[in-house]
Amino acid sequence: GESVGLHLPTLSVQEGDNSIINCAYSNSASDYFIWYKQESGKGPQFIIDIRSNMDKRQGQRVTVLLNKTVKHLSLQIAATQPGDSAVYFCAERARRYSTLTFGKGTMLLVSP
Amino acid sequence: DAGVTQSPTHLIKTRGQQVTLRCSPISGHKSVSWYQQVLGQGPQFIFQYYEKEERGRGNFPDRFSARQFPNYSSELNVNALLLGDSALYLCASSLSPLGTANTGELFFGEGSRLTVL
Repeated sequence: GESVGLHLPTLSVQEGDNSIINCAYSNSASDYFIWYKQESGKGPQFIIDIRSNMDKRQGQRVTVLLNKTVKHLSLQIAATQPGDSAVYFCAERARRYSTLTFGKGTMLLVSP
Repeated sequence: DAGVTQSPTHLIKTRGQQVTLRCSPISGHKSVSWYQQVLGQGPQFIFQYYEKEERGRGNFPDRFSARQFPNYSSELNVNALLLGDSALYLCASSLSPLGTANTGELFFGEGSRLTVL
């Protein structure tokens, strides 16, 4: 399929390493954040979300951290696997609007 | 269960033509959103529909229009195509609009790849 990751920041890791993908969001009033994974030729897939009244949320092998002071969001993937290779987007929802604003994305490449 | 389905998957048009893209949401989902994803960028919001009413519109010209049908499927129309309209058009469905109290997890289709020559 076609790549959606041209000219994107790229993070290259070895299989088994922990990965940290960072995102700076723009709107201090945003109240809800989501991380999506997009594999080549496919639509974005929901990974994990977090509300602005939380600092951390854990899922299966993934953790999202939110630092509202510096408007920073991170996605931590434990024991990264080759199947985790994809483009990862953070998205924010501005309060009182029913839309998501996506960041530009980070390509994660996992080597066996 | 079927996910979000979009058609066509790929299409090629020339400048000035019109295009209609179709989307069927997940069964039971009443909200449909449309996003444009230019190569190398994140998706950009175009429209959201809920219960057949427009609930949000992004910063796109009037050449872009959409509608939702009684069965909650949706169409996105783009008139007078420009080269810059070349993109992956994504449809996403959710149980409720993102602006409501419930979490609005979006389920995306695989998109319609539009190339304008």
